[in-house]
Amino acid sequence: EPEVTQTPSHQVTQMGQEVILRCVPISNHLYFYWYRQILGQKVEFLVSFYNNEISEKSEIFDDQFSVERPDGSNFTLKIRSTKLEDSAMYFCASSAGATNEKLFFGSGTQLSVL
Amino acid sequence: QKEVEQDPGPLSVPEGAIVSLNCTYSNSAFQYFMWYRQYSRKGPELLMYTYSSGNKEDGRFTAQVDKSSKYISLFIRDSQPSDSATYLCAIGKTSGSRLTFGEGTQLTVNP
Repeated sequence: EPEVTQTPSHQVTQMGQEVILRCVPISNHLYFYWYRQILGQKVEFLVSFYNNEISEKSEIFDDQFSVERPDGSNFTLKIRSTKLEDSAMYFCASSAGATNEKLFFGSGTQLSVL
Repeated sequence: QKEVEQDPGPLSVPEGAIVSLNCTYSNSAFQYFMWYRQYSRKGPELLMYTYSSGNKEDGRFTAQVDKSSKYISLFIRDSQPSDSATYLCAIGKTSGSRLTFGEGTQLTVNP
């Protein structure tokens, strides 16, 4: 069964450093998302991306965050200057259509900011 | 008031029990309702997707939506140890909008 692949599974960084989290969505999918889950808290929406543009973003997704689809297969989330409070599990998700009915999540990247 | 509330549990039941998981939401603009299962160190996996009041059944799982009460439920019949996971409700305003998740209920089914 096709799956969303995220790398690395665990990323440790120093506060103030830039990190890039990588995702390979399912190959025929066109809609891409990032969610995050701080330990012990809810899964939270960050951003949705379609046709090389951000479709929607949350209040969390400030100027420190950016997303990119650098080629036909990867979808990345960049955090420019990490803060302690950015420590969380980051989930990439993709869907073939503009519906959550077939939304698939990756296994996540655990980001630890020290 | 939180947009969606879910009892985090933990909930522990014997194998074969019927499990009832619930969420309430505050805004009637939410029209799409999902249940996800999340195993440890994995991403959420969609179990049920519905947008109308009433029941939707898939195997041992039944999703129930009561829009008038803003209340959604997931029932698991004949629960198995492999059902042990965290169950997340999620709601959306349109079919493709951002999802708002509940806190998740941690379920353990004991053999």
